[in-house]
Amino acid sequence: QVTLRESGPALVKPTQTLTLTCTFSGFSLSTDRMCVNWIRQPPGKALEWLARIDWDDDKYYTTSLKTRLTISKDTSKNQVVLTMTNVDPVDTATYYCARSPLGGYNYYFDYWGQGTLVTVSS
Amino acid sequence: QSVLAQPPSASETPGQRVTISCSGSRSNIGTYTVNWYQQVPGTAPKLLMYNNDQRPSGVPDRFSGSKSGTSVSLTISGLQSEDEADYYCAAWDDGLNGLVFGGGTKLTVL
Repeated sequence: QVTLRESGPALVKPTQTLTLTCTFSGFSLSTDRMCVNWIRQPPGKALEWLARIDWDDDKYYTTSLKTRLTISKDTSKNQVVLTMTNVDPVDTATYYCARSPLGGYNYYFDYWGQGTLVTVSS
Repeated sequence: QSVLAQPPSASETPGQRVTISCSGSRSNIGTYTVNWYQQVPGTAPKLLMYNNDQRPSGVPDRFSGSKSGTSVSLTISGLQSEDEADYYCAAWDDGLNGLVFGGGTKLTVL
């Protein structure tokens, strides 16, 4: 059974660094072509893809946030971590992690975490 | 403005058929496969359709997908009240070198 769970602070102050952890089970990120992604959704708005890390440690970032994001994995702990620097109130959103069983560019998210709401406010 | 254009809303009565469109360009839909996600308010998105027209296990055959050029469509037949949700298309984009979502379509079952 595949599960993913996001964890991190519910409230962050502007200019601080946000660190989110995705803890998963039921699959291994060392399996060929496996990937984990981060996606966010501001309240009442659309989904936005943020980043992806592949089984071979390749990393991809959304262009608009590339300078502020870092994605990493700890295969032994079945965790993927996303850090976002210099947060702003516009970063307030529900953050999801999601699995992709395929690498490359024709890929999809077959399992999602429940999401974690992060509010950026002083 | 999303790179993938979806109508913000759609509505139909139970039992009827509704089609949701998603329009892109050569750098995304024209080159890569498209996936659809269903999101019931307050819950995480769920994979509804992958590789343009493939249904994951458990998705009823009332849902179908198609692709033509730089546009895709999601059709729901025999509409049911539980189909009321937000629907998002998604595909890789060469120009942005990243995955892009459509702006979402809110489906109301009247």
